[in-house]
Amino acid sequence: IAGITQAPTSQILAAGRRMTLRCTQDMRHNAMYWYRQDLGLGLRLIHYSNTAGTTGKGEVPDGYSVSRANTDDFPLTLASAVPSQTSVYFCASSEGEGGPWDTQYFGPGTRLTVL
Amino acid sequence: GDSVTQMEGPVTLSEEAFLTINCTYTATGYPSLFWYVQYPGEGLQLLLKATKADDKGSNKGFEATYRKETTSFHLEKGSVQVSDSAVYFCALSVREAGNMLTFGGGTRLMVKP
Repeated sequence: IAGITQAPTSQILAAGRRMTLRCTQDMRHNAMYWYRQDLGLGLRLIHYSNTAGTTGKGEVPDGYSVSRANTDDFPLTLASAVPSQTSVYFCASSEGEGGPWDTQYFGPGTRLTVL
Repeated sequence: GDSVTQMEGPVTLSEEAFLTINCTYTATGYPSLFWYVQYPGEGLQLLLKATKADDKGSNKGFEATYRKETTSFHLEKGSVQVSDSAVYFCALSVREAGNMLTFGGGTRLMVKP
């Protein structure tokens, strides 16, 4: 079934540790996104990539990095996790280069707890 | 900057009741408007969208009309079902802001049999 997969499903992490959240899509979409979801705040954009080889910063990029070496994969790395990064992380993708007519398709999410 | 405001939940309704979830926005340019739905334990799914004023988006019995004069995009359904229980997010995107989605805080809907 085509779509977006994320790994791990959930993770408990000690503060200061490095962590990479994985995201893979098989729809050959150009654009990909990482969001975090916190209660009452909706989803906030962390980083995005309009096409392979390019990335950009979203609303809350501090403490996170991304790479886009190919079309399918868009990993999110926390270099040194802090408790405020406890959240549910969603990866998404869309066909075009971020146009308003695009539909974003979301993965199932990764629940991360930083202690 | 761009922002989306939704009514706070949870909204609790009986089956077959009428649903309205209010959404208003502020935008620096001409936005496209969206409603996403998140069922328990899942990611977000696009429910409906509208890209210009007076457009009506509809899907699965849900409707929302793009009202530029009131900067609103309220979600409605005439008769809700237990299976509609979910969190609903209003969102916008603006070309001038790089077409990124800006989300409201979400409204949890609980439908009781």
